[in-house]
Amino acid sequence: QVQLQESGPGLVKPSQTLSLTCNVSGRSINSGGHYWSWIRQHPGKALEWIGCIYYNGRTHYNPSLKSRVTMSVDPSKNQFSLRLSPVTAADTALYYCARSLCYAGSCYSDSWGQGTLVTVSS
Amino acid sequence: EIVLTQSPGTLSLSPGERATLSCRASQSVSSSYLAWYQQKPGQAPRLLMYGASTRATGIPDRFSGSGSGTDFTLTISRLEPEDFAVYYCQQYGSSPATFGGGTKVEIK
Repeated sequence: QVQLQESGPGLVKPSQTLSLTCNVSGRSINSGGHYWSWIRQHPGKALEWIGCIYYNGRTHYNPSLKSRVTMSVDPSKNQFSLRLSPVTAADTALYYCARSLCYAGSCYSDSWGQGTLVTVSS
Repeated sequence: EIVLTQSPGTLSLSPGERATLSCRASQSVSSSYLAWYQQKPGQAPRLLMYGASTRATGIPDRFSGSGSGTDFTLTISRLEPEDFAVYYCQQYGSSPATFGGGTKVEIK
């Protein structure tokens, strides 16, 4: 059974870079068939899909965040990562990584990490 | 992008009752690429349904999904105590994938 675990700083200063890593266990990222996604949830609010990456590095990003987002994958470590820069207070949210199935650049997610809270504040 | 509107915002029901949750899209969802998730406090969302009507692995058959085009429904035939939670719909038929605002199913 696949398990995902997010890690990274819980506090980021405005205008700086948010960097998160998702460690995947129970399934090799290299095995294909799934994309690997980042999704966020603002406090008390609905979910927002950030983007996804395939093991070969192919990415799909939400156009609303595309100019600030970079995703990468490290199959040797069975990890994938998110960078968001520059950040503002509006990027304060609970960030989830997830395993996804995608169609034409749009995905649903069948396994999720527990989430990590990132606060943007000076 | 496709906007999903869920109704009602809150559903107050008793265990054993039937719950009917609605998700309406601002434009047609391609190929019925509509998913439903359940989220409990302090937990990540859990996939319930995809393709509008296919239950995810391990989801009990009291959960069912239906609909096409712009109107979709999640039905819980008989509410169990563990079903009281927030439910989100998500479309993945066009990019970007978008989520509805959620329906909270609470104990009456």
